[in-house]
Amino acid sequence: SQTIHQWPATLVQPVGSPLSLECTVEGTSNPNLYWYRQAAGRGLQLLFYSVGIGQISSEVPQNLSASRPQDRQFILSSKKLLLSDSGFYLCAWRSLNNSPLHFGNGTRLTVT
Amino acid sequence: GENVEQHPSTLSVQEGDSAVIKCTYSDSASNYFPWYKQELGKGPQLIIDIRSNVGEKKDQRIAVTLNKTAKHFSLHITETQPEDSAVYFCAATGRNTGFQKLVFGTGTRLLVSP
Repeated sequence: SQTIHQWPATLVQPVGSPLSLECTVEGTSNPNLYWYRQAAGRGLQLLFYSVGIGQISSEVPQNLSASRPQDRQFILSSKKLLLSDSGFYLCAWRSLNNSPLHFGNGTRLTVT
Repeated sequence: GENVEQHPSTLSVQEGDSAVIKCTYSDSASNYFPWYKQELGKGPQLIIDIRSNVGEKKDQRIAVTLNKTAKHFSLHITETQPEDSAVYFCAATGRNTGFQKLVFGTGTRLLVSP
């Protein structure tokens, strides 16, 4: 069966520090991969998605970037965090367009 | 692009009552409509989905209905239980993005009181 791993579960970082959140998927190949952010009590905002290695689509201009160095690995990064980067970050995958989207358990990031 | 609106934002019911959450979408070519349940501190979990060639789908106490003409779809939960309390999100996938992205509603916080 397929599983998605996302880490760390929680993270507290000072303003101006770098960020690296990692997500890996097991049990499938060539998945579509997604990074979402959820502000407290808010909906799901799509940040990036990828349909293949090295292919990244950005949804909103921001302080973050994404990379996909391997087929089942998706990384969310920042060189210098801002207070506004605080939130709940969710990685997700799906096998095909119009198939179910499966989420990881998320990383709660607090920038202080 | 696709726009999904969800109502109500909060819903309080008594245990055993039914709950209905409604969503509308803008892209008439959308053809996949999932519903997610998110418990506190966790990622959303898929609870049911429906495709545009079907008008209704049921899974035990949960059902989803789709009206393509009106471009709206609804989640129905019958015989609600306290463990149904969570935030529920609807979503749709549209033609404008090659059906690669899901656009989510803003969520409904459901509270089931014992």
